Amino acid sequence: EAEVAQSPRYKITEKSQAVAFWCDPISGHATLYWYRQILGQGPELLVQFQDESVVDDSQLPKDRFSAERLKGVDSTLKIQPAELGDSAMYLCASSTPRGGARDSPLHFGNGTRLTVT
Amino acid sequence: GNSVTQMEGPVTLSEEAFLTINCTYTATGYPSLFWYVQYPGEGLQLLLKATKADDKGSNKGFEATYRKETTSFHLEKGSVQVSDSAVYFCALRDSNFGNEKLTFGTGTRLTIIP
Repeated sequence: EAEVAQSPRYKITEKSQAVAFWCDPISGHATLYWYRQILGQGPELLVQFQDESVVDDSQLPKDRFSAERLKGVDSTLKIQPAELGDSAMYLCASSTPRGGARDSPLHFGNGTRLTVT
Repeated sequence: GNSVTQMEGPVTLSEEAFLTINCTYTATGYPSLFWYVQYPGEGLQLLLKATKADDKGSNKGFEATYRKETTSFHLEKGSVQVSDSAVYFCALRDSNFGNEKLTFGTGTRLTIIP
């Protein structure tokens, strides 16, 4: 079964440094999501793309976080500068094959675990 | 806004015991409801779903029924196995177009002892 690919799996960075995560969704999926999962909590949506357009970034801390999906395929999430409170698992998910049902399920990658020291 | 409340964990059971993990929700409209499972070191996997009231989702021996009158979607399994040890997340998805994001509960860690 096709998977959502994320890299790196683990990232350790010092506070005030820049860090970036990459996600390659399932081929043909139009909708891409970035979620943040703090240890012991459920995932929270940071940003949702429909093709290359942002449709929801209301919970994205825009002073330090940015996300792009320039060609409507893979996506990058960046944090600059990183803070201690950014330590979490960052999950990417995709859904909605083009021409498919709008309520098609989300498929998640294995995530990037970020530790800020 | 939408929210999901899950049974506090962790939950520890013996193999072959009966499992219930409670989930209630608050939402406008008619959301779809989901259970996701997260095994150690992995991402979330869809376990089951229900899209309208009285629907029952089922998979791998797990079941959950969409109860609109009690705004609940409790997860059940009749006989758990050690391999069911994982974190379980209840989630809802808004029915409004353009708002297809999932809203998750805090998760319930399940440990099954042989």
